[in-house]
Amino acid sequence: DGGITQSPKYLFRKEGQNVTLSCEQNLNHDAMYWYRQDPGQGLRLIYYSQIVNDFQKGDIAEGYSVSREKKESFPLTVTSAQKNPTAFYLCASSIREGGFYNEQFFGPGTRLTVL
Amino acid sequence: GQQVMQIPQYQHVQEGEDFTTYCNSSTTLSNIQWYKQRPGGHPVFLIQLVKSGEVKKQKRLTFQFGEAKKNSSLHITATQTTDVGTYFCAGPHNAGKSTFGDGTTLTVKP
Repeated sequence: DGGITQSPKYLFRKEGQNVTLSCEQNLNHDAMYWYRQDPGQGLRLIYYSQIVNDFQKGDIAEGYSVSREKKESFPLTVTSAQKNPTAFYLCASSIREGGFYNEQFFGPGTRLTVL
Repeated sequence: GQQVMQIPQYQHVQEGEDFTTYCNSSTTLSNIQWYKQRPGGHPVFLIQLVKSGEVKKQKRLTFQFGEAKKNSSLHITATQTTDVGTYFCAGPHNAGKSTFGDGTTLTVKP
């Protein structure tokens, strides 16, 4: 089955610890994205990547880091510098056609709770 | 930066009533996308509108893109309990990223 996967579904960490969230896609999509969603809120863009070995900051990049060493993978690290990391994290991907990006496919998300 | 505003934030309807959510931008949009997120789930793409004044239908859902390409709407006719969730507009999807509205959360009372 083609799709985008995120693991784990639920993650608990102690305050002050870095944590890495996994995102993998086998859709051969060029672009990948990380969003943060707080209860009752919309989607806020953390980082995005249009191509391997390149990524850009989104609207709320502080306290987060990413890498894009492979086309299929776009892991997100939530560092101890992120002041309020408890949230629902969504990864997405999209394909580029003719200079435009098509719809985004979302993974099932990871609910991170920092204790 | 570009902003996309969505109203209302919440809408409670009786099953069978209609529902509409509106998306507004201060700048002209090259395209707009709509997504649905079920409670506890992830956003799922519904449709993309590109042309000025475009109207597209998916069963009981009607999507419109304004003539000036600054606003869009999603209308659901005769809501069902399966329609519950949060509906997001997003756009435009260029330069590698898009901007999502805050969403409209629909609850349907049986």
